Amino acid sequence: AQKVTQAQTEISVVEKEDVTLDCVYETRDTTYYLFWYKQPPSGELVFLIRRNSFDEQNEISGRYSWNFQKSTSSFNFTITASQVVDSAVYFCALSGYNKLIFGAGTRLAVHP
Amino acid sequence: DAGVIQSPRHEVTEMGQEVTLRCKPISGHNSLFWYRQTMMRGLELLIYFNNNVPIDDSGMPEDRFSAKMPNASFSTLKIQPSEPRDSAVYFCASSGDRASGEKLFFGSGTQLSVL
Repeated sequence: AQKVTQAQTEISVVEKEDVTLDCVYETRDTTYYLFWYKQPPSGELVFLIRRNSFDEQNEISGRYSWNFQKSTSSFNFTITASQVVDSAVYFCALSGYNKLIFGAGTRLAVHP
Repeated sequence: DAGVIQSPRHEVTEMGQEVTLRCKPISGHNSLFWYRQTMMRGLELLIYFNNNVPIDDSGMPEDRFSAKMPNASFSTLKIQPSEPRDSAVYFCASSGDRASGEKLFFGSGTQLSVL
């Protein structure tokens, strides 16, 4: 069975702090994809990144970076120099041969 | 390009009434998904279609829920009769190819309140 665990329910930081959101997954599929989505207070779900199981290269996009480690089944997300606009719920998700399963989400609050 | 379009944005109804949620996927996408989001259960996949055919409806809570996709540009999720515990945000999403590798594009959601 597929499962995504985001152990951090809520994180609160002060602006300019770095923050890492953890994601651990379980799957028996040999080919799978991992995603991060952002849900700001307005409610929409915004795609951030997709990673396939064969590509363990870390990725950086501006202040965002992702660390994929197959050995520990983790796909962590780091925001560097956080800003108030980063406040949102962040979801990690896993897709195998059929459907996309989401973790419970981590609510990030960035305070000025 | 227009994104995934859902209607209505908000729906308030009384227990026992029929509710129909609508979704127009992105043109050219051939996979469509219905998700439900609640505080208690998070984002749950209810059903997904590929090429208008329901592939997996194991997430549909019970017989009161039904979903259809009569053509590539339209899908409905119906609840009959509705109950207060159905109150949630219902998202529709579409993707361009096989479900697994393609990112999902989400609609803005329908906030359903059943009184």
